[in-house]
Amino acid sequence: GENVEQHPSTLSVQEGDSAVIKCTYSDSASNYFPWYKQELGKRPQLIIDIRSNVGEKKDQRIAVTLNKTAKHFSLHITETQPEDSAVYFCAASIRSNYQLIWGAGTKLIIKP
Amino acid sequence: GAVVSQHPSWVICKSGTSVKIECRSLDFQATTMFWYRQFPKQSLMLMATSNEGSKATYEQGVEKDKFLINHASLTLSTLTVTSAHPEDSSFYICSARDLRYNEQFFGPGTRLTVL
Repeated sequence: GENVEQHPSTLSVQEGDSAVIKCTYSDSASNYFPWYKQELGKRPQLIIDIRSNVGEKKDQRIAVTLNKTAKHFSLHITETQPEDSAVYFCAASIRSNYQLIWGAGTKLIIKP
Repeated sequence: GAVVSQHPSWVICKSGTSVKIECRSLDFQATTMFWYRQFPKQSLMLMATSNEGSKATYEQGVEKDKFLINHASLTLSTLTVTSAHPEDSSFYICSARDLRYNEQFFGPGTRLTVL
């Protein structure tokens, strides 16, 4: 079955700097890769996603890149702000069943 | 985006009792809902996939007789934790697939504490 690995487990960056979180997946059939932000005690919120026919997608300060050959995808947050502090999860899915296989999560800390 | 509600938001129960958690899609029909469990500082673990009108598909290691899932309508799925024990204490989250947006939307979660 699919396995998703996520690194780092904790990331601390200075406010205004960029943050990068990386994930790798094992199943080459996976074709949908969402990223979620979860604040303590709350539900995961979709922040950006990418499908396998696209290599990069950007939404304001957030971007995701996908390398299908290497089976890895990354989340990039630029000009980080205190409100970006949260736990971020990557996930992978085979569209036919829509089950999400989750990474272990990255706790992002933005230092003022 | 679509709205998914979950009830209750938190529950405290005695060991040995059963607890039912409801997940509702408020403004769309969800043929598929997913149930997750999340322990503190850990990722979401998929427990089961719930399909309307049919039996749920459980992930390996999840006891179907302990975690009863019913998806009787296109807007409601329920998870019943039977004979709950302290180790079942966790954050339970449901999600529903909305075909309009082709993505999953999550409920706010239910924090279960078993004494």
